[in-house]
Amino acid sequence: KAGVTQTPRYLIKTRGQQVTLSCSPISGHRSVSWYQQTPGQGLQFLFEYFSETQRNKGNFPGRFSGRQFSNSRSEMNVSTLELGDSALYLCASSLSQGAPGELFFGEGSRLTVL
Amino acid sequence: AQSVTQLGSHVSVSEGALVLLRCNYSSSVPPYLFWYVQYPNQGLQLLLKYTSAATLVKGINGFEAEFKKSETSFHLTKPSAHMSDAAEYFCAVSANTNAGKSTFGDGTTLTVKP
Repeated sequence: KAGVTQTPRYLIKTRGQQVTLSCSPISGHRSVSWYQQTPGQGLQFLFEYFSETQRNKGNFPGRFSGRQFSNSRSEMNVSTLELGDSALYLCASSLSQGAPGELFFGEGSRLTVL
Repeated sequence: AQSVTQLGSHVSVSEGALVLLRCNYSSSVPPYLFWYVQYPNQGLQLLLKYTSAATLVKGINGFEAEFKKSETSFHLTKPSAHMSDAAEYFCAVSANTNAGKSTFGDGTTLTVKP
């Protein structure tokens, strides 16, 4: 069974640009969550999508947005990039149906903002 | 609201020695607790999970953790450290069976000395 796939793995952007990251969950998983990981703030929850609906949202500004498609694939977008957005962005999928709810993570997309 | 505190951002042990990584949680509802491991430039991988069944939970690679409600703790242990255990370890708490929105601790980096 294929794991969670994130693309691109690495990218470099400049301030003010926007970026779109993609995540393909494990087949059959309907929940997709996004986390930002930085050395200073650790792992912070961005948002979660389930059946194309945002079910939970973290405390990030509106520049951070996401969506989920009917095949459960998800994208997140960051507009007007700032230097502080440099981070590893992790996507995780879960069954989210009666199961204890462990998260299956992708390898992440490392974003560098110059 | 939920929170996780991992005591000790860095732990160093000798190969063959006991590994003890500490995690304390706070949750207003019965928690679901998880330990994840992250190797450099990779996503997180589940080690074990507590879901209100047995309080002593066994995971992969010889790790186990004990849920102690009275102490609000979920410490991770391994009787004998191996060089391959060197990684960053994260404790996480989730409020219900949906782990899509998990709250993570700041992580503990484990170093194993030969």
